[in-house]
Amino acid sequence: AQTVTQSQPEMSVQEAETVTLSCTYDTSESNYYLFWYKQPPSRQMILVIRQEAYKQQNATENRFSVNFQKAAKSFSLKISDSQLGDTAMYFCAFARGSNYKLTFGKGTLLTVNP
Amino acid sequence: DADVTQTPRNRITKTGKRIMLECSQTKGHDRMYWYRQDPGLGLRLIYYSFDVKDINKGEISDGYSVSRQAQAKFSLSLESAIPNQTALYFCATMPAGGEDTQYFGPGTRLTVL
Repeated sequence: AQTVTQSQPEMSVQEAETVTLSCTYDTSESNYYLFWYKQPPSRQMILVIRQEAYKQQNATENRFSVNFQKAAKSFSLKISDSQLGDTAMYFCAFARGSNYKLTFGKGTLLTVNP
Repeated sequence: DADVTQTPRNRITKTGKRIMLECSQTKGHDRMYWYRQDPGLGLRLIYYSFDVKDINKGEISDGYSVSRQAQAKFSLSLESAIPNQTALYFCATMPAGGEDTQYFGPGTRLTVL
């Protein structure tokens, strides 16, 4: 079974600074997808960024980028120029196969301080 | 209007009661999923469906049942609610081909007393 581990239950950062959230996963599959979802206090699950395992290039979405290390099974999220609105729970998730069932990590609570 | 809606948004019920949570979507997606979120545990898959005639169990299906009434509707039922089913429940949808991203509804907070 696949597992997703987020080793940082909580993190904080000052506004405008950069922060990196860690995620590792365990799988024997070669083709899969990785995601970061954001859950603000409104509790809505919002897709931040996605990465296909077969692509070597790291995904980037505006201030959000990932460092995907396939051999190390690591998928970290970097948030640049942190904003107060980035305060949220962040979940790393893994999906494989044709059913695309998502396996989630336990989340990292990020607080951006003014 | 939201693409994926869930009703109710909040519900308090008593132990032993039957309760249904509903999910509707206007995205035209074939695949639908029900997840449960507990504090400190992330989200876990309860059931999923690829079309009206297809229902599959997830990792924590015991105590739950589902119904796919139409492509756009996927309901989750708790036949006899118990307190440890108190959680935040999410519906998600995904197209059958091409894009491989799930889109989540706003969630239903269920409290079983």
